[in-house]
Amino acid sequence: SYELTQPPSVSVSPGQTASITCSGDKLGDKYACWYQQKPGQSPVLVIYEDNKRPSGIPERFSGSNSGSTATLTISGTQAMDEADYYCQAWDSSTVVFGGGTKLTVL
Amino acid sequence: QLQLQESGPGLVTPSETLSLTCTVSGGSISSSNYFWGWIRQTPGKGLEWIGNIYYSGTTYYNPSLKSRVTISVDTSKSQFSLNLSSVTAADTAVYYCARQWNFGASYYFDYWGQGSLVTVSS
Repeated sequence: SYELTQPPSVSVSPGQTASITCSGDKLGDKYACWYQQKPGQSPVLVIYEDNKRPSGIPERFSGSNSGSTATLTISGTQAMDEADYYCQAWDSSTVVFGGGTKLTVL
Repeated sequence: QLQLQESGPGLVTPSETLSLTCTVSGGSISSSNYFWGWIRQTPGKGLEWIGNIYYSGTTYYNPSLKSRVTISVDTSKSQFSLNLSSVTAADTAVYYCARQWNFGASYYFDYWGQGSLVTVSS
């Protein structure tokens, strides 16, 4: 079965750039998307089709996907961006989620 | 604004069947290019996809749960439902329903319900 691998945790200082990776076999040949989940809340889509932002998502969120790695980048990270982030792709008629990355802003 | 709301028992007895319903409002469950899905999250863990259904009844299931899962849709009520049989404590989780965009090679969940905590315990 297809797997997506994320680092368990990433730390960033306020105002700096955070990068969260998601790795999978030939992931660049598929579309990747990203969700943000804060404690006690439902996931929120922040990036779809590798690099598109839904309405209402700040411009500081961006994405890329090439080779075997998709990357979520948060520029000028703010304290409110502290959350769990999950990547997701579609493979062989199944939805696959990464294990999630806890972003700490300190 | 599209809204999804899960409903169902918060406590299920081991070996029984977990049943949840998601009611869709503010939009049509029969829209083209949208599937309707169930995702769960065990306490402190990540997201696990359970399965999706199209308004026509076409379904896709997670292979690891397929033998125990049935997802159905009732377009007249704007609802879709999840049945998970032979549950154990490992099925204790927050269960989310969500809408999935499905076109070409693009698949993503753009609207989520608030989640429903289901505990499996005697």
